[in-house]
Amino acid sequence: GIQVEQSPPDLILQEGANSTLRCNFSDSVNNLQWFHQNPWGQLINLFYIPSGTKQNGRLSATTVATERYSLLYISSSQTTDSGVYFCAVAVSGSQGNLIFGKGTKLSVKP
Amino acid sequence: DSGVTQTPKHLITATGQRVTLRCSPRSGDLSVYWYQQSLDQGLQFLIQYYNGEERAKGNILERFSAQQFPDLHSELNLSSLELGDSALYFCASSVEQGGVYGYTFGSGTRLTVV
Repeated sequence: GIQVEQSPPDLILQEGANSTLRCNFSDSVNNLQWFHQNPWGQLINLFYIPSGTKQNGRLSATTVATERYSLLYISSSQTTDSGVYFCAVAVSGSQGNLIFGKGTKLSVKP
Repeated sequence: DSGVTQTPKHLITATGQRVTLRCSPRSGDLSVYWYQQSLDQGLQFLIQYYNGEERAKGNILERFSAQQFPDLHSELNLSSLELGDSALYFCASSVEQGGVYGYTFGSGTRLTVV
């Protein structure tokens, strides 16, 4: 089955710093989403981005489908950005069932 | 509030018991997905329903079953519980079958088996 690899596994930042999270996937996908799991366990959908670039405030994401990777950019990080960021994909022909990477655990220090 | 409601939020039960987790999808969403998040396995897809019909199965144990009712709410039944079933169980919904317009997750049910 498709493999989803995220890097780095852990990231510690000072408040105000920028970061880039990466997601590599091993097969063609028709669905790619980034999620943030906050310290209380809630999964929040950040982007639906099977290709192209999107921006939402301090967050932006780019997916290069032909090269099978996606990047999540966080600018001017805040302590509330802490948590785990997951990349999840669905392959063509599936019913939309998402395959999740292991996540990047982000800690933003004040 | 994401619009997807899961109850209960926390559940503690003994090995060998049976529990039922409930999910109400976001208004208008026809697809319901169940996922399990555990420390060793990460987030794994269990099962999907679309408008009352089972559409896909993932890594769901035979001791687990689910259904989606005519009002579109869904229940995940876990029986003969083992310590290893302790996990966070998420329900998600999407407006159409493929989830291609994105998912909305509920806040999860944290199951602890003792």
